[in-house]
Amino acid sequence: EVQLVETGGGLVQPGRSLKLSCVASGFTFNNYWMSWTRQAPGKGLEWVASITNSGGSTYYPDSVKGRFTISRDNAQNTLYLQMNSLRSEDTATYYCTRGAHWGQGVMVTVSS
Amino acid sequence: DVVLTQTPVSLSVTLGDQASISCRSSQSLEYSDGYTYLEWYLQKPGQSPQLLIYEVSNRFSGVPDRFIGSGSGTDFTLKISRVEPEDLGVYYCFQATHDPYTFGAGTKLELK
Repeated sequence: EVQLVETGGGLVQPGRSLKLSCVASGFTFNNYWMSWTRQAPGKGLEWVASITNSGGSTYYPDSVKGRFTISRDNAQNTLYLQMNSLRSEDTATYYCTRGAHWGQGVMVTVSS
Repeated sequence: DVVLTQTPVSLSVTLGDQASISCRSSQSLEYSDGYTYLEWYLQKPGQSPQLLIYEVSNRFSGVPDRFIGSGSGTDFTLKISRVEPEDLGVYYCFQATHDPYTFGAGTKLELK
């Protein structure tokens, strides 16, 4: 069974950094692209980042480009999202995804 | 960026009715490989989104056959025949043809 478990969320001040982790199990991690998608409270879904199975290429929307970095450790079956220069509009639940499979999400609140 | 316009914003139905949701794209979603990367997700209250349909019309594993996806180019439709209580929630279309990937704003399916 595919499982994706996110950790690392919490309350952070504007301008600070936070790193999310997602531990994957139940599939061969290094065979798949992985992504992060977020959902602000009471709002819709927004794709945040994707990474190829090797980690060689990454993709971002303009809203996070230059501030967020997606990466992976295939030996540890772990996906990461490094979030820098955080803004109030980054407040959201962040989901780790592999295609059809989504984690339970982790909440990030950016507030002073 | 590709804009996905979902209509209606909300849909009130009686159990057993048919429901239809439209997703219109600002650009054709047919990729150069001939595939169209248009997906439909359902997010039930308090849960992570779940994939219903991929590549326009393919039901994901375990999705009942009352969910039917159709369309091409820029116009797509999700039909739910005989709505059941577990079908209630917010439906999102999503495109992974063009970078950045984008979601529609969502359609809330609720009981009349």
